[in-house]
Amino acid sequence: DADVTQTPRNRITKTGKRIMLECSQTKGHDRMYWYRQDPGLGLRLIYYSFDVKDINKGEISDGYSVSRQAQAKFSLSLESAIPNQTALYFCATSLAGVGYNEQFFGPGTRLTVL
Amino acid sequence: DQQVKQNSPSLSVQEGRISILNCDYTNSMFDYFLWYKKYPAEGPTFLISISSIKDKNEDGRFTVFLNKSAKHLSLHIVPSQPGDSAVYFCAAIIQGAQKLVFGQGTRLTINP
Repeated sequence: DADVTQTPRNRITKTGKRIMLECSQTKGHDRMYWYRQDPGLGLRLIYYSFDVKDINKGEISDGYSVSRQAQAKFSLSLESAIPNQTALYFCATSLAGVGYNEQFFGPGTRLTVL
Repeated sequence: DQQVKQNSPSLSVQEGRISILNCDYTNSMFDYFLWYKKYPAEGPTFLISISSIKDKNEDGRFTVFLNKSAKHLSLHIVPSQPGDSAVYFCAAIIQGAQKLVFGQGTRLTINP
């Protein structure tokens, strides 16, 4: 069973549309993250949440928003999608505290903005 | 400003030989380093890690070496197997901050 799931797995949309990507986890982790992967750039952090009431911007948050609906759910929204947001998007989770450095990733969502 | 760099986008190695993947970092505050492996259509999975208080960590065929003075780490895979073909990401963290900083990735291809 997948511990971190992402829906949808693939999405094609048009410029200007609002898109929501969803992430759910059964690991019981408090901390959740959204990354995007672009060729030649690795994974870059968009937003992260250390608990339900805590939301923080990452290095590339412009054009994105997030919602932490519950400990297990963290969604990423593109309010008005643009073509340069075409990328692979990954959700990740981790335990809280010093020493818990490993993050566990979902399978990813491939988003194409036309 | 790329704080973690993997300067080789791709690497091709013969099956059975050693694969060496390299990673450099610029932030001396990083005190923990991880390697992730990624297959197509899957998320990255944790492979091996090393604390800055060590210079080597070994797990089966995988060994990570850390040279703090050079701000350099490397992942050795011996012997390389076809199933090792994947993209490998180096990541660094300041413990307590819990924000991983990733390199660009290196695509490793193991040839039979």
